[in-house]
Amino acid sequence: GENVEQHPSTLSVQEGDSAVIKCTYSDSASNYFPWYKQELGKRPQLIIDIRSNVGEKKDQRIAVTLNKTAKHFSLHITETQPEDSAVYFCAASIGGADGLTFGKGTHLIIQP
Amino acid sequence: EAQVTQNPRYLITVTGKKLTVTCSQNMNHEYMSWYRQDPGLGLRQIYYSMNVEVTDKGDVPEGYKVSRKEKRNFPLILESPSPNQTSLYFCASSPNRGLNTEAFFGQGTRLTVV
Repeated sequence: GENVEQHPSTLSVQEGDSAVIKCTYSDSASNYFPWYKQELGKRPQLIIDIRSNVGEKKDQRIAVTLNKTAKHFSLHITETQPEDSAVYFCAASIGGADGLTFGKGTHLIIQP
Repeated sequence: EAQVTQNPRYLITVTGKKLTVTCSQNMNHEYMSWYRQDPGLGLRQIYYSMNVEVTDKGDVPEGYKVSRKEKRNFPLILESPSPNQTSLYFCASSPNRGLNTEAFFGQGTRLTVV
């Protein structure tokens, strides 16, 4: 089955700087790559997703890039703010019945 | 309001005492699934269901059961809980049989087995 590796496990950046979280996947048939944000004590919520026919997608300060050849995708957050502090999960799906396979998560800490 | 609702939010129980965590969604989603979240291990799928009366094992199904008698409900059953099932559990639902669509998560159930 699909395997998703996510790095780093913890990322600390200064407020206003950029943050990058990287994921790799194993199954070349994967075609859907969402990112979820989980604030402390809350449920994971989708913040952005990308499909395999697109190389990059942007939504205000958040962007995701996909490199199908290398089988990796990344989340980019610019001009980080305190409310960006959370755990971020990447995921991949081949569109099969077993749905999403998640990475282990990245704890993003925004230092004031 | 569209939502996935889990109950209870917190549960402390003893080893071997059967328990059920309920999950209900009001979005008419076909696909529902259960995950457990443990520190350093991320979200791991326990069971999923593509539709009523259709369920299948995820990555970590041992010690769990599920049922899908109605489209909106997908309870998670622990017949004989053990301490290694202490975890944070999330139910999720998706439209279109979960094929490349957003998963909507419940608020989570923190289970402690002593």
